[in-house]
Amino acid sequence: DSGVTQTPKHLITATGQRVTLRCSPRSGDLSVYWYQQSLDQGLQFLIQYYNGEERAKGNILERFSAQQFPDLHSELNLSSLELGDSALYFCASSVGTTAKLETQYFGPGTRLLVL
Amino acid sequence: KNEVEQSPQNLTAQEGEFITINCSYSVGISALHWLQQHPGGGIVSLFMLSSGKKKHGRLIATINIQEKHSSLHITASHPRDSAVYICAVRFSPFTGNQFYFGTGTSLTVIP
Repeated sequence: DSGVTQTPKHLITATGQRVTLRCSPRSGDLSVYWYQQSLDQGLQFLIQYYNGEERAKGNILERFSAQQFPDLHSELNLSSLELGDSALYFCASSVGTTAKLETQYFGPGTRLLVL
Repeated sequence: KNEVEQSPQNLTAQEGEFITINCSYSVGISALHWLQQHPGGGIVSLFMLSSGKKKHGRLIATINIQEKHSSLHITASHPRDSAVYICAVRFSPFTGNQFYFGTGTSLTVIP
């Protein structure tokens, strides 16, 4: 158990809908990262938050947004869903320094299926 | 475009064999992460390194910064080692701590 929790574990929805994925980082971790893993693209970095502020952005679509709240939990919002958004969405957390070897701890993932 | 390449894509081994998985990247990095993804989907961090060699149990990870190459070795492989092994690199810690991932090596160890 990495200490990172994600809810829900599974989500089935329809095209055009909006969903929210939630992540609680390990106790004491200030950084949260969101990753998408799809069959054709593999693992891709979406976005990073550090202590409530956006720190880095990757291949995140405009239809997707995220935020980190004062209690450090984070939410990833996916809107106008398309079939291609079906994927495993992972959240990871780390202490949040720029140290070279800072490890990230991964949550169990949320499996999203868009029908 | 920054690229992370892994080889082989698929690997089948007999129990007890010595296994090597390779990772190459195209530009200089600040750190490299080896991850293990179990069939159920969960991801576990194995090693994070920026130089030299690290060992944990039957797993050994090495990195050659000049050659832009890392290897993950598994000694005395066991069926429970069957998983996807993913290499991830971080290019600069000062532009965020995000990783870029290889496509993974699917390992099956047969009893």
